[in-house]
Amino acid sequence: DSGVTQTPKHLITATGQRVTLRCSPRSGDLSVYWYQQSLDQGLQFLIQYYNGEERAKGNILERFSAQQFPDLHSELNLSSLELGDSALYFCASSVAEATYEQYFGPGTRLTVT
Amino acid sequence: AQKVTQAQTEISVVEKEDVTLDCVYETRDTTYYLFWYKQPPSGELVFLIRRNSFDEQNEISGRYSWNFQKSTSSFNFTITASQVVDSAVYFCALSEAALNDYKLSFGAGTTVTVRA
Repeated sequence: DSGVTQTPKHLITATGQRVTLRCSPRSGDLSVYWYQQSLDQGLQFLIQYYNGEERAKGNILERFSAQQFPDLHSELNLSSLELGDSALYFCASSVAEATYEQYFGPGTRLTVT
Repeated sequence: AQKVTQAQTEISVVEKEDVTLDCVYETRDTTYYLFWYKQPPSGELVFLIRRNSFDEQNEISGRYSWNFQKSTSSFNFTITASQVVDSAVYFCALSEAALNDYKLSFGAGTTVTVRA
């Protein structure tokens, strides 16, 4: 158990819908990262927050957004969902901004039908 | 451009055999970090090891060992005396400090199957 929690574990929804994925980092970790894992794209970095502020963006679609709250938990919002958004979404946390190892949550498996 | 290349897609071994996973990375930074992660069938990503670019000392941790060679931009990982529980997808990852973001760039992964 990495100490990072993600909810829900599974999510099935229809195209065009909006969903919110939630992540709680390990105790004491200030940095949260979101990654998407799909069969065709592999593991791709989406976005990073550090202590409530956005730090870096990767291959994140405009239909996707995220935020980190004062209690350091983070949410990833996915809207206007398409079939191609079906993937495993991971949240990871690390102690600081810098390249300390990232500990991953169990992931949320999103299926868009 | 792919920053991390794991040329081996799948490796199958019999229990107790050693398994070496290859990883080649590409970066222009002088400061960077390399990682290995394991993804068992249950799906979670488990951190295994981290190495920074200034430390080429190769180490052994239990049944795991790694060989970091800057001259060839390689960061290979070996499982000694493999066990069935080692069956998983193994990912090599790179983090580049100069970009001022600390995202992990992952390779495509190598699926390791250990047969009893």
